[in-house]
Amino acid sequence: GDSVTQMEGPVTLSEEAFLTINCTYTATGYPSLFWYVQYPGEGLQLLLKATKADDKGSNKGFEATYRKETTSFHLEKGSVQVSDSAVYFCALSDSGGSQGNLIFGKGTKLSVKP
Amino acid sequence: NAGVMQNPRHLVRRRGQEARLRCSPMKGHSHVYWYRQLPEEGLKFMVYLQKENIIDESGMPKERFSAEFPKEGPSILRIQQVVRGDSAAYFCASSPPLRGALNTEAFFGQGTRLTVV
Repeated sequence: GDSVTQMEGPVTLSEEAFLTINCTYTATGYPSLFWYVQYPGEGLQLLLKATKADDKGSNKGFEATYRKETTSFHLEKGSVQVSDSAVYFCALSDSGGSQGNLIFGKGTKLSVKP
Repeated sequence: NAGVMQNPRHLVRRRGQEARLRCSPMKGHSHVYWYRQLPEEGLKFMVYLQKENIIDESGMPKERFSAEFPKEGPSILRIQQVVRGDSAAYFCASSPPLRGALNTEAFFGQGTRLTVV
């Protein structure tokens, strides 16, 4: 079945460092890909998404490019801030319609130190 | 426009009791999804409902768990005879009706954290 694999954390960085969180997927169809962020004690918020190959999703300085050839959707940010400390989830949807039936990776905890 | 509302935020139950978790979707949303997040794990899909219908319950445990989304009122996830292993965060998400082939985004609530003692 479909699955998502993302790098294990925790990841600890200093403020203004470069961030990469790797995410690869397996899917039988043509999935949409997502990054969600979960701040402490909160629910998940959609960070960015891409619905087809070579699309780049971006938001709040974060970017991810849908790479069909490598089945990847790595999350990057050029300069992280303390406020970016959270758990990041990569997810895919292959439902062909509503994107609520998502398959999630296990999450990567990011801690940014001042 | 209020977001997805879940209550209670925290719920403590003794082993053997019943837990009822409620989810009110965003206004205009007719699709509801329930996910479970175990400690240090990602979210696992449980069930997908539309008004008065269960569309996909492939992630629901076969026993003790049930879900409904009545014509009026919130969606309810019910866990009967809870055990310690049911302790987790339960998240609800909602999305609007499909518009042809246009994909729609799902919005998550803040979750209910169930602790079984």
